[in-house]
Amino acid sequence: DTEVTQTPKHLVMGMTNKKSLKCEQHMGHRAMYWYKQKAKKPPELMFVYSYEKLSINESVPSRFSPECPNSSLLNLHLHALQPEDSALYLCASSQGGLAGVETQYFGPGTRLLVL
Amino acid sequence: AQSVSQHNHHVILSEAASLELGCNYSYGGTVNLFWYVQYPGQHLQLLLKYFSGDPLVKGIKGFEAEFIKSKFSFNLRKPSVQWSDTAEYFCAVNARGTNAGKSTFGDGTTLTVKP
Repeated sequence: DTEVTQTPKHLVMGMTNKKSLKCEQHMGHRAMYWYKQKAKKPPELMFVYSYEKLSINESVPSRFSPECPNSSLLNLHLHALQPEDSALYLCASSQGGLAGVETQYFGPGTRLLVL
Repeated sequence: AQSVSQHNHHVILSEAASLELGCNYSYGGTVNLFWYVQYPGQHLQLLLKYFSGDPLVKGIKGFEAEFIKSKFSFNLRKPSVQWSDTAEYFCAVNARGTNAGKSTFGDGTTLTVKP
């Protein structure tokens, strides 16, 4: 299994809602990432987990809350989002715990629309 | 902080033409360099990477890139493009050392190949 899967594919939420994005990989990778990608723009790093510990938070607002319950799963909890948070949210994983040194494998993303 | 600059925002070529996409990075330390491709409707995938060794690296689908340390460049090349190469191409830099895990992407180059 060489895939990173993400659910849901699409999500529409109001500004007062609470929702979660889910990412899963079964490649035995020990680093996992969340990126945000706006249309026609490059992915922007949000969070990095290495060996299930948060190692990088790129000054992301607290309305985004990551969670890594185990080495295969990565969640992104969303609460009180703003319309400008609408974007494609990408999950990625890489093999080693030294995050960033190796190739990242990307999931298809969750397209989020905040109304 | 590291940064990546891709010189060409949109490139239009005819089939069989040669391709070169520019990528320059700014970072004082050691880096790993990547080219990722995003075909229409598909997710980001690795085209090729440079970690160390031979500065000329070959990737999938006939692509290659050359790392020129003195110029902080990692340009992507293909001698003869095909219609199926139409995609968005991103150059990315991952720092090593204390900034390991901080992945930075260039703004991307949209390549359109006319049949």
